[in-house]
Amino acid sequence: GQQVMQIPQYQHVQEGEDFTTYCNSSTTLSNIQWYKQRPGGHPVFLIQLVKSGEVKKQKRLTFQFGEAKKNSSLHITATQTTDVGTYFCAGTGAGSYQLTFGKGTKLSVIP
Amino acid sequence: DAGVIQSPRHEVTEMGQEVTLRCKPISGHNSLFWYRQTMMRGLELLIYFNNNVPIDDSGMPEDRFSAKMPNASFSTLKIQPSEPRDSAVYFCASSLYRASYEQYFGPGTRLTVT
Repeated sequence: GQQVMQIPQYQHVQEGEDFTTYCNSSTTLSNIQWYKQRPGGHPVFLIQLVKSGEVKKQKRLTFQFGEAKKNSSLHITATQTTDVGTYFCAGTGAGSYQLTFGKGTKLSVIP
Repeated sequence: DAGVIQSPRHEVTEMGQEVTLRCKPISGHNSLFWYRQTMMRGLELLIYFNNNVPIDDSGMPEDRFSAKMPNASFSTLKIQPSEPRDSAVYFCASSLYRASYEQYFGPGTRLTVT
């Protein structure tokens, strides 16, 4: 079945440094979503990418969808302590309506 | 809207007991999902309903697990009998139209089976 791999599993950064997490799928995706889960909380939807090569920005967050629609990345510029949490990518395979979540990247920000 | 509502928020039970988790999706959403989250396995989809009909239950680990959605505003996940390895956080999520749309997660139920 479809697999979504995410790296790194953990990332510790100094406040103000940049952060990137990468997501790779074993199959071509029709779309990819990103979620954030704060410690002790539940996943919260951030964004959805649908088009090949799509780039979307939300303030300090930049999301990219690869040209082949098999990979994606989330980049945070100048991290803040409020960015702490686990970031998940989740993809839908072509012809499927089911989301498959990656294992997530846990971000720690050292003040 | 109150968002997705789950109850109980915490459940501690002994091995062998029956556990029932409850979920009320966002009004108007027609897709509902049950997920299990553990450190080892991450976020796993257990079952997915569309218009109250189970579409994919391939993630349900064993016959001990069952889920129902008797109407558009209520779903249950039952474990009988429970085992210590069932300890996890169980999330319910809802979506408008289909799984490929953004999903709204409830606060989760933290289950501990001793």
